[in-house]
Amino acid sequence: DTEVTQTPKHLVMGMTNKKSLKCEQHMGHRAMYWYKQKAKKPPELMFVYSYEKLSINESVPSRFSPECPNSSLLNLHLHALQPEDSALYLCASRPRGLEGETQYFGPGTRLLVL
Amino acid sequence: TQLLEQSPQFLSIQEGENLTVYCNSSSVFSSLQWYRQEPGEGPVLLVTVVTGGEVKKLKRLTFQFGDARKDSSLHITAAQPGDTGLYLCAGEENAGNMLTFGGGTRLMVKP
Repeated sequence: DTEVTQTPKHLVMGMTNKKSLKCEQHMGHRAMYWYKQKAKKPPELMFVYSYEKLSINESVPSRFSPECPNSSLLNLHLHALQPEDSALYLCASRPRGLEGETQYFGPGTRLLVL
Repeated sequence: TQLLEQSPQFLSIQEGENLTVYCNSSSVFSSLQWYRQEPGEGPVLLVTVVTGGEVKKLKRLTFQFGDARKDSSLHITAAQPGDTGLYLCAGEENAGNMLTFGGGTRLMVKP
């Protein structure tokens, strides 16, 4: 099983809303990632969690707040987003985050901010 | 940050033609992964290459990692409409726990 699941698949929210994106994997992976992808562009790294601890934050605005409640779950809390934050948000995982390991992506959440 | 240049950016070909996508960097990568992505979906892993000079085949797809581990190529033989999609290469920074993505190649195969 090499599956990373993400919910919801689609999300529409207003600029004053608070919402959360969820990511789950049951492969025993200890490195998990959030990416943002705009149309026709490659994914851009936002956050990296290693053994449930935030290890990399790529200068992401504070209106995005990640959380890793356990080794299988990764959340991205959204608050006061802007229309330019509309994008495909991808979650990914790797076994230990070590060299040569394959990274597996979820199907993504397509977010529209109105 | 290591830069990964991918070419061509766009490619439109007829069914049955062959094509090659290139991924180049001035820096050394410890490994490189190729993904295919369809609109609105997440990238799906095609292959991971880790050894300089390595060649891997996946049906009509042939992947090569350069001897110096600075470049890689993806060759598709007898392309089919089902090959249409965005192809992404992603290199791993040494012990950096993160991938650097190329700009992507958008392939369209016409029947």
